[in-house]
Amino acid sequence: QVQLQESGPGLVKPSQTLSLTCTVSGGSISSGSYYWSWIRQPAGKGLEWIGRIYTSGSTNYNPSLKSRVTISVDTSKNQFSLKLSSVTAADTAVYYCARDTQQQLGWYFDLWGRGTLVTVSS
Amino acid sequence: SYELTQPPSVSVSPGQTARITCSGDALPKKYAYWYQQKSGQAPVLVIYEDSKRPSGIPERFSGSSSGTMATLTISGAQVEDEADYYCYSTDSSGNHGVFGGGTKLTVL
Repeated sequence: QVQLQESGPGLVKPSQTLSLTCTVSGGSISSGSYYWSWIRQPAGKGLEWIGRIYTSGSTNYNPSLKSRVTISVDTSKNQFSLKLSSVTAADTAVYYCARDTQQQLGWYFDLWGRGTLVTVSS
Repeated sequence: SYELTQPPSVSVSPGQTARITCSGDALPKKYAYWYQQKSGQAPVLVIYEDSKRPSGIPERFSGSSSGTMATLTISGAQVEDEADYYCYSTDSSGNHGVFGGGTKLTVL
């Protein structure tokens, strides 16, 4: 079955750019009408949707993060990626990638990666 | 920015009914979805399209939505239902996802 796996540095220095990749296995990232999202969760806090991408390259971003976020897709590698610039300690969180499904009146995530902890510290 | 509001905590005894609410201005026109997250694990979808249960989710989980409030109901809550529950929806544009702040359900 389809699985998602996040990967990337676990430690990023303040003011630098956080970069993560999500690899989709067990199926093609281009099959179906799925979008692909990033979500994060600081320790002991709630979930925050970061943004999503379609395999065409079309994106939606959380307005509160939009100025710092770039999500891209590489269909040849069956991967999509997150870049978050100018990070601070407030960006320390577990980052999840997820498969995102659009419905007429909403979106939902039906498949999640296990998450990866990214710490912002010098 | 758009917000979904949940109570921080709900506590019930085993076998009782737990109700977790989620309020948001766009809910009359957008679906609510509910996720269960147990400690150290990724969230799991328990309700979609306001009231539908994915396969594998126990029948004791149900959802409803009326006006600006969606409700997750766990009828006959079990100890294993202890978790954080998050509602999720989109803003009026339909393009931006939003999570509620989460509700910690205690069953004891």
